[in-house]
Amino acid sequence: GDSVTQMEGPVTLSEEAFLTINCTYTATGYPSLFWYVQYPGEGLQLLLKATKADDKGSNKGFEATYRKETTSFHLEKGSVQVSDSAVYFCALTLPQGGSEKLVFGKGTKLTVNP
Amino acid sequence: ETGVTQTPRHLVMGMTNKKSLKCEQHLGHNAMYWYKQSAKKPLELMFVYNFKEQTENNSVPSRFSPECPNSSHLFLHLHTLQPEDSALYLCASSLKTSYEQYFGPGTRLTVT
Repeated sequence: GDSVTQMEGPVTLSEEAFLTINCTYTATGYPSLFWYVQYPGEGLQLLLKATKADDKGSNKGFEATYRKETTSFHLEKGSVQVSDSAVYFCALTLPQGGSEKLVFGKGTKLTVNP
Repeated sequence: ETGVTQTPRHLVMGMTNKKSLKCEQHLGHNAMYWYKQSAKKPLELMFVYNFKEQTENNSVPSRFSPECPNSSHLFLHLHTLQPEDSALYLCASSLKTSYEQYFGPGTRLTVT
């Protein structure tokens, strides 16, 4: 079945360090890909998305490129801040019977220290 | 209010109680979802409603009973829960033809 695998956490970085969180997927068809972020005590927020191969999603300094050949959608940020501390979820969606169904990875907890 | 709201934010209930979680979206969306988020487990999709019709029940025990009276409101009725049902319950909504889901802040449920 369709699935998302993302790197195990937790990830701990110092402020201004470079961030990569790996995400690979297995899907039939052509999924759309997403990164969601969950700050402490809150629900999930859409961070960025890409809907077709070679698309690059970007937001708040984060980027991810849809790589069909490697079935990957790795999240990157050049210089993290303390406020980026959160749990990051990679997800895909495929249309199913008229309602989109999101498949999530297990989440990666990021802690950024000052 | 804007976005997706959920009430209550925190709930403690005994195993014999009956309670309900409420979700409301102000985005004009037509699809609504319930998810369960437990510690150290992936996010679990529980129910999907599309234009008020339930389109998915992901093998959820009958002690969880959803209700969608209109496209803006979604309820999750709870009765005779178990301690392992303690989790964060998240509601989300999306346009029928849109791929993005917008989440509420969740209800932190503790079953004692």
